[in-house]
Amino acid sequence: QVQLVESGGGVVQPGRSLRLSCAASGFIFNSYAMHWVRQAPAKGLEWVASVSDAGTDKYSADSVRGRFTISKDNSRNTLYLQMNSLRPEDTAMYYCAKDLGSHETYGMDVWGQGTTVTVSS
Amino acid sequence: SYGLTQPPSVSVSPGQTASITCSGDKLGDTYTSWYQQKSGQSPVLVIYQDNKRPSGIPERLSGSNFGNTATLTISGTQAMDEADYYCQAWDSSLVVFGGGTKLTVL
Repeated sequence: QVQLVESGGGVVQPGRSLRLSCAASGFIFNSYAMHWVRQAPAKGLEWVASVSDAGTDKYSADSVRGRFTISKDNSRNTLYLQMNSLRPEDTAMYYCAKDLGSHETYGMDVWGQGTTVTVSS
Repeated sequence: SYGLTQPPSVSVSPGQTASITCSGDKLGDTYTSWYQQKSGQSPVLVIYQDNKRPSGIPERLSGSNFGNTATLTISGTQAMDEADYYCQAWDSSLVVFGGGTKLTVL
């Protein structure tokens, strides 16, 4: 079945780095755009970054641009989020999500269970 | 930056119709999606491209998008519909989510 499984979350000190992974299965990974979306405790959904089907076009939110990098390894069916210079306000549940489309966002139809990132000294 | 505005909360009696709005500048010029998130769970796509339902989503959930406002309508609301609902749009290569609406079924 179609599935996304995130990993790599944890507790990290401010200013440090962390890399999240999202393993995909059950669909043709190289045919779809992918996203990272986060949710701080008791808050709403916040878009983090997106990547096109081939992994060539990348977009990110103002709040993370220059610190976070999204990438897509189609040979490994895996999505990544490299997070550098982490701040306490980056503390959140991080979800990866599959898009219905290959490039633009038509809707995120599959979501993982999320991985928790806590930035604290 | 582009913003989407939703009411923080909407209440509805069982069996009645609930409408959740999402407002943004010229929102009708782009596609809107809607997500349902129940407590402690991952979001679920319930409407995409303004008014399309993914397989498995009941027909009583419907969507529209005109002018500056997109609307998610739930007809014959049931207790199982109680959740947070988020609208989402795409603007200038950026993804935007609304702040979310808590639907309470009284």
